[in-house]
Order: sequence, then structure tokens, then C-alpha cells
Amino acid sequence: KQEVTQIPAALSVPEGENLVLNCSFTDSAIYNLQWFRQDPGKGLTSLLLIQSSQREQTSGRLNASLDKSSGRSTLYIAASQPGDSATYLCAVGAGGTSYGKLTFGQGTILTVHP
Amino acid sequence: DAGVIQSPRHEVTEMGQEVTLRCKPISGHNSLFWYRQTMMRGLELLIYFNNNVPIDDSGMPEDRFSAKMPNASFSTLKIQPSEPRDSAVYFCASSVAGGALSYNEQFFGPGTRLTVL
Repeated sequence: KQEVTQIPAALSVPEGENLVLNCSFTDSAIYNLQWFRQDPGKGLTSLLLIQSSQREQTSGRLNASLDKSSGRSTLYIAASQPGDSATYLCAVGAGGTSYGKLTFGQGTILTVHP
Repeated sequence: DAGVIQSPRHEVTEMGQEVTLRCKPISGHNSLFWYRQTMMRGLELLIYFNNNVPIDDSGMPEDRFSAKMPNASFSTLKIQPSEPRDSAVYFCASSVAGGALSYNEQFFGPGTRLTVL
């Protein structure tokens, strides 16, 4: 059974800092990995999707990397802003007979203070 | 473009009542997922459909829960009878699955916050 762990559980940083969120998973036979953002009381917003054959994806100030063999992904946020404050969720997509299923981590609560 | 649409956004009901949650996926998407989010258990997949057919319902907690997808643009999740421990936020998500250009990126609706008294 796939298990996804996110570290740290919470992070508080001053505005302008570069930061890294970590995600690890136990079964490396994945189809893809997706990073989401969730604001309080809201739904999930997809940030980046990395296919299993890819090493990284970039969108603006966000960069996500994937090391499938070691079961790890990182989300790098450059020059953080107060508007980045949210919960960040990592989700691992299964392949094979479980194609399409996402297993989520518990999330990292990020606070960026001015 | 409209994203995934869910209704109602909030539902308060009494224990024992039937609850029906509704979802309209993004047009053109052929996979639909129902999730439940609680503080204790995080986000859990309840059931998912591919081309309107239920593929995996192993996450449905009990027989009190049922889900249908009568056509490509509509799905329901029903709880009958509801219990206080069913209180959670229920999310619907959709994606394009299968085919050479499929990346299976899931897009989520705003959720339905269910409170069972």
C-alpha cells in the first residue's frame, strides 16, 4: 500500500526566502506525482504535475523535482510572498490496475509573514 | 471555462437523514473521483469512475455510502442514513485518462462541507 509523507508539517518563513517542501513515498512504481495548494476552506488547486519519466517541472516561482528511485519529490518556492501562505499537498498517482488513483500526504502548512 | 462544479456547498442535516452530494465534471474529462477530507484522516479517495463506470470503490467506508454516474456530466454521492462521523468536506475531481496525450492531472471542485448533527 502506497504511503506518502510530507516534511515539515508546518513552516513559517519571512517574505523573500527561498524554501523547499519535501514529499516521500514508499512505492516507486508510480504513474505521476502532483503538487496541490489548498487555501483555508477552499478546494485544491493543481500547481505542478510530473510524469514518472520526468525529473522536474517548473511554473513561475515554483519548481518540482522527482527522484522516483529514491521515492522523493521536492517543491521549491523561490522568493516567497505572503500570498503563498497555504497548505501544500503532494499526491502520488498510481499506475497499472490502480491507474488514476491518487494517494495524498498530510500536507505542509506554509506561513509567509511580511 | 467552468471548473468542476459541486452542490450544495454546505449541508447541515440530522443523523439518520439521507444526504445527496452532486458533481459536474469538467467537460471532456472522462474520469471522476470522490474524496473525503477530515482533520484526522486527511484526504481519502472514496470511489472513482472511468467513462461513467465505477472502477474502484474500495475506499467507500460502509454500505451507507453509494455513488452513481448516470452520464458523463453528472455524478452523485449518497449517504443513507447519515451519521455524525460522516461530517467532513467531500470533494469531487475530474481528469482526462487514457490516450497518448493523457497526463491524468486531476482538477478539484470547491467541495461540499457536510455537518451531520
